[in-house]
This record gives sequence, structure tokens and C-alpha cells, in this order.
Amino acid sequence: ETGVTQTPRHLVMGMTNKKSLKCEQHLGHNAMYWYKQSAKKPLELMFVYNFKEQTENNSVPSRFSPECPNSSHLFLHLHTLQPEDSALYLCASSQGRRAGGPLSSYEQYFGPGTRLTVT
Amino acid sequence: GIQVEQSPPDLILQEGANSTLRCNFSDSVNNLQWFHQNPWGQLINLFYIPSGTKQNGRLSATTVATERYSLLYISSSQTTDSGVYFCAVESSGNTGKLIFGQGTTLQVKP
Repeated sequence: ETGVTQTPRHLVMGMTNKKSLKCEQHLGHNAMYWYKQSAKKPLELMFVYNFKEQTENNSVPSRFSPECPNSSHLFLHLHTLQPEDSALYLCASSQGRRAGGPLSSYEQYFGPGTRLTVT
Repeated sequence: GIQVEQSPPDLILQEGANSTLRCNFSDSVNNLQWFHQNPWGQLINLFYIPSGTKQNGRLSATTVATERYSLLYISSSQTTDSGVYFCAVESSGNTGKLIFGQGTTLQVKP
């Protein structure tokens, strides 16, 4: 148990469906992340939120839409996905960085992931 | 961007054996983490070790930041150690962007 939970754990959706992945952290962190892990590939960062502001979009297609309503919750809204989007989607959290503050580095903690299959 | 290379890609051990996993990176870093990914996909934090040496039970890690590598030592391996081991780094001056290596897949046989 890392203090980061994700739902659902498994999701099968058609290419025309709309679904959302949810992540919640109970660690008092202020930064949250979405990563994608495809078969036979290393984890790839998708989005970073720091104090609810998006600070990184790693050239992710617009069919993936993140939302961070508060520092404890992170969503990934999915629509019109492609079969190649099938993957394990992992959420992580860490301490946040204040604007203008030192570029400190903080340990990231991961949730159990959502295994997504697009048919 | 920063490159992360892990070796070996695959490793098979007999229970009780020791092993060393290596992570090389191409630029200076201010964050380096080792993870173990279990068969269900959960990433378990092993070490947060941008520099120096740490030990936790049968596992230990050393990062030599000036030479841009880190080592993960597993002693007296057990079948439960099986899985994929990832090294991930954040380059200096970056904003929380962890770059992962390809991983080392470890199988420990009874």
C-alpha cells in the first residue's frame, strides 16, 4: 500500500466510448503525475500537475484529457481511443514545488495502475 | 534529453544467489529512484538515492553521481524478488519528470 489508489483497476472500452480514470493520493502531496506503460516499453510520463496547475504535457494526443480538481485527486478522461492506446496507466504523487522555489527533487509514489484495453 | 540504460535486460538466478543490477545515465541528476514492479503492475519504491549508499534488508544501492551510474545489489535472492526492476532519473533543473530505463527482468528459481 503506497498511499496512492487508482480506479478502476481494469477497463475495457470501445473506440467510441468515453471513460475516466481516477487517482487519489492520501500522502498530503501537491504534485501528481500520469504515466503510460505499453508492453515492452519503459514507462512514459504523460502529464504533471503541481499545486493543481498543469506543468507538463509530454506531447500527449488530445484524446487524453487530464483534470486535477484538487491536490488529492487526478483524473484522465478518455475518448475516441485507438487500440494502440491499450496499456497500463499509472498515477504517481510527490511533494510539490512552489513557484520561484528551489528546484528540489522529491520521491514519487505510484498507484497500482489501471490496465486499459481498447477494442 | 537524458538517457537511462539498465543492464542486464534479463537475469535468471537460483534462490540464494546474489546479483548486481546497473543503471547508467547520460547527464547529471537530482533524483534517482529504484523500483520493483510486481506481476500485477504495482511499482514498489525500493530506494530514493540521487547519491551515496543505502541499505534495506537484503537490498542495497549505491549511486556515484559524478560517474553517472547506480547499482542495485540483491543478496540471498528469494523467489519473491522476481519481477522487473526499474531505475528512473530526473535530470538536474527539471520539474519532476522521471525518465525510466527499460528495466531488468529478474527470475529467481527455487
